Amino acid sequence: DSGVTQTPKHLITATGQRVTLRCSPRSGDLSVYWYQQSLDQGLQFLIQYYNGEERAKGNILERFSAQQFPDLHSELNLSSLELGDSALYFCASSLDRKNSPLHFGNGTRLTVT
Amino acid sequence: GENVEQHPSTLSVQEGDSAVIKCTYSDSASNYFPWYKQELGKRPQLIIDIRSNVGEKKDQRIAVTLNKTAKHFSLHITETQPEDSAVYFCAARSGGGADGLTFGKGTHLIIQP
Repeated sequence: DSGVTQTPKHLITATGQRVTLRCSPRSGDLSVYWYQQSLDQGLQFLIQYYNGEERAKGNILERFSAQQFPDLHSELNLSSLELGDSALYFCASSLDRKNSPLHFGNGTRLTVT
Repeated sequence: GENVEQHPSTLSVQEGDSAVIKCTYSDSASNYFPWYKQELGKRPQLIIDIRSNVGEKKDQRIAVTLNKTAKHFSLHITETQPEDSAVYFCAARSGGGADGLTFGKGTHLIIQP
């Protein structure tokens, strides 16, 4: 167990809908990262938060947004969903920004029908 | 931004033989290079990492080497076992402002009995 908790484990929804994925980092970790993994694809970096502030953006669509709350948990919001958004969404956390490894949660599998 | 290339995409070796996976990166400022193992449907798990001030690191049957001049790093697994079968991802973290890891596309390692 990595100590990173993601909910829900599975999500099935229709095109055009909006969903929220939740992540609780390991105790003491200040950085939260979101990654998208499509079928047979690698891990695409979406966005990073550090201690409540956005630190870096990757290939995140404008339909997607995220935030990190004062208790350090993070939410990833996906709106106007399309079939191509079906993927595994991983959250990872690390102790600090530069020198610590990332520890991944078990992911949320999103299926858009 | 950083770009990580990983080869091969699939690697099949006999049980007991060695396996080598290679990655190259583009950003000379990158300073942290982890390797993750992902079993089907599960989260990526950190297996070993190396920082730019070190040329080699070993942990039992696993070793990683880094050549900063050539901007490439490799994962070596000796005495492979069936439980080593998985997808392996290399990654690099830039020394610049972005803290997120950039991943390679992964290597599917198959251990033949």
